[in-house]
Amino acid sequence: AQKVTQAQTEISVVEKEDVTLDCVYETRDTTYYLFWYKQPPSGELVFLIRRNSFDEQNEISGRYSWNFQKSTSSFNFTITASQVVDSAVYFCALSYETGGGNKLTFGTGTQLKVEL
Amino acid sequence: DTGVSQDPRHKITKRGQNVTFRCDPISEHNRLYWYRQTLGQGPEFLTYFQNEAQLEKSRLLSDRFSAERPKGSFSTLEIQRTEQGDSAMYLCASSLKDPDPTDTQYFGPGTRLTVL
Repeated sequence: AQKVTQAQTEISVVEKEDVTLDCVYETRDTTYYLFWYKQPPSGELVFLIRRNSFDEQNEISGRYSWNFQKSTSSFNFTITASQVVDSAVYFCALSYETGGGNKLTFGTGTQLKVEL
Repeated sequence: DTGVSQDPRHKITKRGQNVTFRCDPISEHNRLYWYRQTLGQGPEFLTYFQNEAQLEKSRLLSDRFSAERPKGSFSTLEIQRTEQGDSAMYLCASSLKDPDPTDTQYFGPGTRLTVL
């Protein structure tokens, strides 16, 4: 069974602070994919980043960076120099290929509030 | 590229009525997914199409739910004899499996259903 845990329900930061969102996953598959999505108040899920299970190289893309560690089954996401527009709910998700496509298993989300 | 579109964006109905939602995926995307999201939770998988074939349905999808993708393009999700527990956001996503092995899903704005 697949499971994604986002222990942080809500995080509040002041603009320009760095913030890290935690994600822990469970899977028995050796090939799987991890994602972060952003859901602003408008409701649309916006794809941010992805990583496959064979690639533990951590990367930076603009103000976003992620830390993928298979040893601890974690896929943490960091926003540097946060901005008010970053305020949203962030979801971590896990998928693997089945007869049912790559259906996503989501965590419960972390509400990020960035204040002036 | 035009993104995933969904119609209507909001639907209010009385218990016992039938409702139908439409999803138009990104053109050339061969995979289409439906998810349901209740307040404070992450989206949950409902069903999946590859082209016009419905290849998997979640146990969340009771007999009152039916989905189609008649020509492998747009999809419809119908709920018959709606119940108050059906109140949720219904999200559609599309993806193109090849050459992207991660099958990254791009979501529409969702249809918010309220059953009175």
